[in-house]
Amino acid sequence: EAGVTQFPSHSVIEKGQTVTLRCDPISGHDNLYWYRRVMGKEIKFLLHFVKESKQDESGMPNNRFLAERTGGTYSTLKVQPAELEDSGVYFCASSLGGHTGNTIYFGEGSWLTVV
Amino acid sequence: GNSVTQMEGPVTLSEEAFLTINCTYTATGYPSLFWYVQYPGEGLQLLLKATKADDKGSNKGFEATYRKETTSFHLEKGSVQVSDSAVYFCALATGGGNKLTFGTGTQLKVEL
Repeated sequence: EAGVTQFPSHSVIEKGQTVTLRCDPISGHDNLYWYRRVMGKEIKFLLHFVKESKQDESGMPNNRFLAERTGGTYSTLKVQPAELEDSGVYFCASSLGGHTGNTIYFGEGSWLTVV
Repeated sequence: GNSVTQMEGPVTLSEEAFLTINCTYTATGYPSLFWYVQYPGEGLQLLLKATKADDKGSNKGFEATYRKETTSFHLEKGSVQVSDSAVYFCALATGGGNKLTFGTGTQLKVEL
């Protein structure tokens, strides 16, 4: 069974450009999460989808970030325009249910460098 | 709000040494506690978890006990191996949900 896959694995863009990160969750997982780790700091929650609906987007830093999950399958996270402080690792995760008893499976992360 | 504090790294140990990585937390409500591990070039993996006070989570020789009185969840292993070299993250979730609050991570390097 395929795990959570993320694309691209690495991206280097200039300040002001746009980047779109993609996440394919484990098949059948209704719950999809985005997290971010800025260099040397803790991994922070960005948002949580249940199917195609945003259950909790309290961690989204500002309106330059847009997350979508069309059809409740894969998800994209767009940063437009990118700023230097957006550099970091963006993790996607999925789980079957939304409760603590359901194991969350993480992808390998998308490394974003804004120069 | 919720927060997790874990010891600064990197931690460098010799193979077969004893490992402790400290983790303390602040939480509203009654959290579930987790340790995640990220091996080089891989994603985060759940290492172990505990959902109530005095529970002990264990996996791959690692253990951590949920200590409500000291709000701690320290990770231990009696004899580390080179293959344990990774970054270890302590985390919590409250309200029965899966929204995780992480610590900053502790890098462990085990040498021969």
